[in-house]
Parts: sequence; structure tokens; C-alpha cells
Amino acid sequence: GAGVSQSPSNKVTEKGKDVELRCDPISGHTALYWYRQSLGQGLEFLIYFQGNSAPDKSGLPSDRFSAERTGGSVSTLTIQRTQQEDSAVYLCASSLDGWERTEAFFGQGTRLTVV
Amino acid sequence: AQSVAQPEDQVNVAEGNPLTVKCTYSVSGNPYLFWYVQYPNRGLQFLLKYITGDNLVKGSYGFEAEFNKSQTSFHLKKPSALVSDSALYFCAVRDNRGSTLGRLYFGRGTQLTVWP
Repeated sequence: GAGVSQSPSNKVTEKGKDVELRCDPISGHTALYWYRQSLGQGLEFLIYFQGNSAPDKSGLPSDRFSAERTGGSVSTLTIQRTQQEDSAVYLCASSLDGWERTEAFFGQGTRLTVV
Repeated sequence: AQSVAQPEDQVNVAEGNPLTVKCTYSVSGNPYLFWYVQYPNRGLQFLLKYITGDNLVKGSYGFEAEFNKSQTSFHLKKPSALVSDSALYFCAVRDNRGSTLGRLYFGRGTQLTVWP
């Protein structure tokens, strides 16, 4: 597609359930980011993939959070045993090359609500 | 530690007046700086960037930003605000050295409201 695609756009889940959020980056982009945006808050960095390098996972808030990127393209963010504080908009972005001077392009986000 | 600060949570201006949204940063080395805009229920849209060269950079929708190395600032400006400019604005800096190479840091955002 022409832009970064995220699915689902909205997800309501019960506390304790696992959820998977998907991100399709722009074709050819080697860098992929996940951020979390809570109401009234800025963007919280979660994880960053750059090509075949080991991902920068230092922003993941707990071991319930994990992410993978298959074949250098699609990425999945998994949250296990969801908690109410996980409710937020999860944003994915990609850029041509995270080490170069290129801007990141964002998807529309997945709004996660844990009830 | 690398960081970005947007000192104003809200900025209110009248249509037709100039606007400024402030951003300061703290990053090692030469920074790559960005501005993004977020409209309600939408993702972030890229506005402009500073990488090197002229300190005044121009971007989408008539916005511009001035890089000031001595003040470590990258303020967003527009000579004449429009009601349609009302949105949430984020400043970002890319880390270009060290173990966090490539990471994008964002400010908390500034809500711009332009009234008719």
C-alpha cells in the first residue's frame, strides 16, 4: 500500500487476555518503530527495528510486551495478560532507513481498550 | 540522556496572526530534528525536518522552523495562522550516535488552537 497500515483500528479486550497488533510498513522501508500514546500524553517509545540488526527493545514497559518483525516487513506487537493501564493508542511508523536522514511515516494507530 | 521538551501544553492564536510552537532538545552530536502534526483521531503527519544546512527550513502547509544550535531549539512557526491549523503538534529528534542510534524521541506535544 501507499502508507503504513495498522490493524485492527480498534480493539476491545478483557483484562488478562492476549492481543496482537499488526503493522504493515511502507514497502522498502527498513526501519520500523512502535510507540504508545495515552490520553493526554506524548509518544512513548516501545521498540525499534532497523534492517537485520538486533531490535532496540529498551522501551518495552514489561515482559508482557513483545514484538517481532518477519522478513524485514510486517511487524506484530503482542501484549500478554493485558491490564487496564495498557489501554492506549499504539502507533507504528516506518522510515526508509533509520540511520539516514529520512523522516518516519506513521500509521493511523490501533486504539486498544482493556475492560 | 536524549530528550525533547515542548514547554507549552497549549498555544492559542487568532486567525491571521503569526504562531510559534516551541521546542528544545538535548541530544549528543548533531541532531536530526522533525515536526509532526496530529489531527483528531488521525496518525501523525510529517511537517518538516532539519538535517543540515540552512537553519530555516520550510515544510508543508506554510510552516517553517528555525534551528538554533546555541539555544538548542527548533521552534515551529507560521506567519499567518489558519483555523484549520488547529491540531496537536509534536517535535522529535533522532539519535544519530551511540547505542540508541536511530531512535526517535518525541516531545509531549503542544495543542494549537486558532480561533476565527
